[in-house]
Amino acid sequence: GAGVSQSPSNKVTEKGKDVELRCDPISGHTALYWYRQSLGQGLEFLIYFQGNSAPDKSGLPSDRFSAERTGGSVSTLTIQRTQQEDSAVYLCASSSPKNEQFFGPGTRLTVL
Amino acid sequence: GENVEQHPSTLSVQEGDSAVIKCTYSDSASNYFPWYKQELGKGPQLIIDIRSNVGEKKDQRIAVTLNKTAKHFSLHITETQPEDSAVYFCAARNYGGSQGNLIFGKGTKLSVKP
Repeated sequence: GAGVSQSPSNKVTEKGKDVELRCDPISGHTALYWYRQSLGQGLEFLIYFQGNSAPDKSGLPSDRFSAERTGGSVSTLTIQRTQQEDSAVYLCASSSPKNEQFFGPGTRLTVL
Repeated sequence: GENVEQHPSTLSVQEGDSAVIKCTYSDSASNYFPWYKQELGKGPQLIIDIRSNVGEKKDQRIAVTLNKTAKHFSLHITETQPEDSAVYFCAARNYGGSQGNLIFGKGTKLSVKP
């Protein structure tokens, strides 16, 4: 079956602009996660959705970052007024009933 | 909260040799420990995981061991091949806790020389 998909694969934007990143999780997976990976670094947790529960936003670095998950499936991560330090690969994952997390290919964001 | 340390940060081995990557964690309540392989330009791929009710798990050339008392776990790759070259990440999670996310180590860049 299809894995986690993310779009766009690459996004170049100017400082101060807003961007939206999309994640389509594996069908049937109720949990969805967003992580950020800076160049040569590990994965930094951003936000976690589980079913209809309130999302865990404890990893969001600032109030410029927000995310939604509509209908328990597709999720959008929005970064407002982008800054150069927001440049990174943004990874989405969904987890199976066995709690194994499967990652998408990521969106590489470059803020000029 | 949980903190995961991973070492070495880089590892170079000859094809056919074994490679070992080690991780330690701080939260004794963590009970799930996956390992991911990330190739250049791709997302992390789950290669093996272990839960706290077992001490060792093996899948062909890769194996993971867990020592709950010492709070460390290791990835072992035998008979390494050039295609094993990638960055490997360990992670930990407490499935009984309030946080659902994985806490990752900083990664090990493995290079297998032919």
